[in-house]
Amino acid sequence: KAGVTQTPRYLIKTRGQQVTLSCSPISGHRSVSWYQQTPGQGLQFLFEYFSETQRNKGNFPGRFSGRQFSNSRSEMNVSTLELGDSALYLCASSLAGAPLMNTEAFFGQGTRLTVV
Amino acid sequence: QQQVKQSPQSLIVQKGGISIINCAYENTAFDYFPWYQQFPGKGPALLIAIRPDVSEKKEGRFTISFNKSAKQFSLHIMDSQPGDSATYFCAASKRDDKIIFGKGTRLHILP
Repeated sequence: KAGVTQTPRYLIKTRGQQVTLSCSPISGHRSVSWYQQTPGQGLQFLFEYFSETQRNKGNFPGRFSGRQFSNSRSEMNVSTLELGDSALYLCASSLAGAPLMNTEAFFGQGTRLTVV
Repeated sequence: QQQVKQSPQSLIVQKGGISIINCAYENTAFDYFPWYQQFPGKGPALLIAIRPDVSEKKEGRFTISFNKSAKQFSLHIMDSQPGDSATYFCAASKRDDKIIFGKGTRLHILP
């Protein structure tokens, strides 16, 4: 079965621009989470979507937003890019059915965003 | 506030040795403690996980030891191999909530 697919793999943007990243979860998975990975801070949680609704949110500014579609695919948008937004953005999907429980999160390979 | 503290940041171990990575957490509501392994250019992959009702879980050469009273857990890699060289993340979560990751440990196994 296909894994989590993130596109694009690499992206270079200029400060002030906006960017949209895409994540296709494993078939049947309804939960999609986004993480920012940087060398100094490790993996930081951005937000989680479940059945098209944002269920959890991390401590990132409003420039970071996301959405989930009816087929569970998710997009993350960052507006007004800053140099500090350069990072690996990882998407993870899980079953997270009801009743909700801790289930294994499967990560994609990430999108490497460089802001210049 | 960092809810999961991981140490050391980097670790070098001889082939055949034991690699030990430690984590401490603050939130007693956490009830799921996974460890993830990440190779360069790849996303993290679940290695092994434990729930607080057991003190130890072993899968092959990988063992999690869990101390609920101390709010600490650790990963032991027995007979460490060069192929184990990767970044390891401990994590914690509670039901219906996000996974909180430690900052990672870069493990290098000398051949």
